[in-house]
Amino acid sequence: QKEVEQNSGPLSVPEGAIASLNCTYSDRGSQSFFWYRQYSGKSPELIMSIYSNGDKEDGRFTAQLNKASQYVSLLIRDSQPSDSATYLCAVNLNNDMRFGAGTRLTVKP
Amino acid sequence: SAVISQKPSRDICQRGTSLTIQCQVDSQVTMMFWYRQQPGQSLTLIATANQGSEATYESGFVIDKFPISRPNLTFSTLTVSNMSPEDSSIYLCSVFSGGSSYNEQFFGPGTRLTVL
Repeated sequence: QKEVEQNSGPLSVPEGAIASLNCTYSDRGSQSFFWYRQYSGKSPELIMSIYSNGDKEDGRFTAQLNKASQYVSLLIRDSQPSDSATYLCAVNLNNDMRFGAGTRLTVKP
Repeated sequence: SAVISQKPSRDICQRGTSLTIQCQVDSQVTMMFWYRQQPGQSLTLIATANQGSEATYESGFVIDKFPISRPNLTFSTLTVSNMSPEDSSIYLCSVFSGGSSYNEQFFGPGTRLTVL
């Protein structure tokens, strides 16, 4: 079992829709959780951090964490074509950061 | 957040040569990380560079191929030695920012390497 698993996609949503990106992790002791956005040819950019169970909202982005289910998700509301990118889930245990393979999102105008 | 710069941003190199990539951070950090990202793939950690000690390499990566220097708390270099086309990749420098187990990790802009 991979340490951090994501659907590779591609995930395609129409402009204005909600995009839902999912991630599961294997180490129950993981302490902090992150979502990165990576545009083609660019380096990963941190967009959300979440540390406790529940939801965390930042603008159009909502991160959701369920430690019991070892599940992290990212919701993007009112998706825009500029949101088209690969989204990486990352999980931190004692400064050992593990990345998922990424989900490629395409938002169609 | 940390501001990270890398040089060069890209290079095209011949097989059998070596390239040294520089990473500069705007603040002092204990650990610096070097990643490789091959086309269409996710991030692969090459090694962790701590100031004042030998770098720690991940499985599949060796010091002879990827020597690392860490002369101070804001700078590191990664050398890709005796390059082959399989080394064509984006190389990323990364650091943690923060003082707790909730550290956030930030990446430099990357070095795009093409080996002919």
